[in-house]
Amino acid sequence: DAGVIQSPRHEVTEMGQEVTLRCKPISGHDYLFWYRQTMMRGLELLIYFNNNVPIDDSGMPEDRFSAKMPNASFSTLKIQPSEPRDSAVYFCASSRELATTYEQYFGPGTRLTVT
Amino acid sequence: QKEVEQDPGPLSVPEGAIVSLNCTYSNSAFQYFMWYRQYSRKGPELLMYTYSSGNKEDGRFTAQVDKSSKYISLFIRDSQPSDSATYLCAMSGGGLQGAQKLVFGQGTRLTINP
Repeated sequence: DAGVIQSPRHEVTEMGQEVTLRCKPISGHDYLFWYRQTMMRGLELLIYFNNNVPIDDSGMPEDRFSAKMPNASFSTLKIQPSEPRDSAVYFCASSRELATTYEQYFGPGTRLTVT
Repeated sequence: QKEVEQDPGPLSVPEGAIVSLNCTYSNSAFQYFMWYRQYSRKGPELLMYTYSSGNKEDGRFTAQVDKSSKYISLFIRDSQPSDSATYLCAMSGGGLQGAQKLVFGQGTRLTINP
């Protein structure tokens, strides 16, 4: 299995621009998670989906952030407009609903820099 | 106060030493306790998983959960340079949806010196 795939791996953009991060979960996984990791705040859950339906978006920092999962093999996290404080590593993770553990498999992350 | 507290370190020990990593938490609803390992520039990977209180051993790694004290630990015996990474504790509550919603600690950066 290829694991969770994220693109781009690195993104540098200017303040005010729209940023779209992409994720392909592991085939057969029912849950998809978006996290943000910074030195100050650690790893924070932004939103997660179950069977393509958003379950909990309480971690989304503000209306500038939105996430979609149009099908079981693709999800996007969009930031519009971007701000320097959005600079972080964004991880996508997926997991199976029927599992002996609730292990989440993380992608390699997208390192976002907003100047 | 954060739900999960973890000393960010950094922690540096010589090869072969026993390493102790710890987290405290405030939410008594947490039932699932995990340790993830994250190498530099990589995503976290699950290392250990424990349900409720007790100990779990896997090779050189031992995870302990004390729900009465709201305290969890990870011990690494005979530490190796390849163990150098950031270790994150993670916890979640009961129920299918609750178990999926992980709350992570800050992560402790560990370096094992040859």
